[in-house]
Amino acid sequence: NTKITQSPRYLILGRANKSLECEQHLGHNAMYWYKQSAEKPPELMFLYNLKQLIRNETVPSRFIPECPDSSKLLLHISAVDPEDSAVYFCASSQDNHRGTGGSSAETLYFGSGTRLTVL
Amino acid sequence: GDSVTQTEGLVTVTEGLPVKLNCTYQTTYLTIAFFWYVQYLNEAPQVLLKSSTDNKRTEHQGFHATLHKSSSSFHLQKSSAQLSDSALYYCALNTGYQNFYFGKGTSLTVIP
Repeated sequence: NTKITQSPRYLILGRANKSLECEQHLGHNAMYWYKQSAEKPPELMFLYNLKQLIRNETVPSRFIPECPDSSKLLLHISAVDPEDSAVYFCASSQDNHRGTGGSSAETLYFGSGTRLTVL
Repeated sequence: GDSVTQTEGLVTVTEGLPVKLNCTYQTTYLTIAFFWYVQYLNEAPQVLLKSSTDNKRTEHQGFHATLHKSSSSFHLQKSSAQLSDSALYYCALNTGYQNFYFGKGTSLTVIP
């Protein structure tokens, strides 16, 4: 999926700080960070809608998201722990609110992911 | 609460035979969509099928699924499995307002 690009593709960290980057070229208004550990489904970490953080799941404080504009998403990681080893996916969707009719249920699209390995 | 259940963690099928992956759900929302995502090794999940219409068959890449609200199910089927179908399959529910719920996934292995 080249419409949602993530970098870096692979990351090996000791106790250093690092940032993951994501950019979507789909014109979507919602962007997500998901964590996928081995043999598990993706788990939501953060959700932004129109640059506003609207979902912040139970995530260690060493993970700090940032949404500089509606097409870009960053995930700053500091002092990683071995339990942080996983693949981190950026995702996006277009939510079309229908006023009193509620929200239409749109498709979630994933980027290619960043595989984080903590030494 | 809202949830998706995939009863089989591992499914093994012989090439050329039919395969069925089960998915049931629980939700109180009316505006909903259902998905099957496929995730190949070392790749991202990608949408395989999507449906929000009751009793309508949806097809893509030889796979098909029909949403049955009466039984709260959205099973994935294929009449003839191929070696290239080996992957992880996730059933997912979107209740709107960016609320996505994933099942635990089913690992499908197709053997010669």
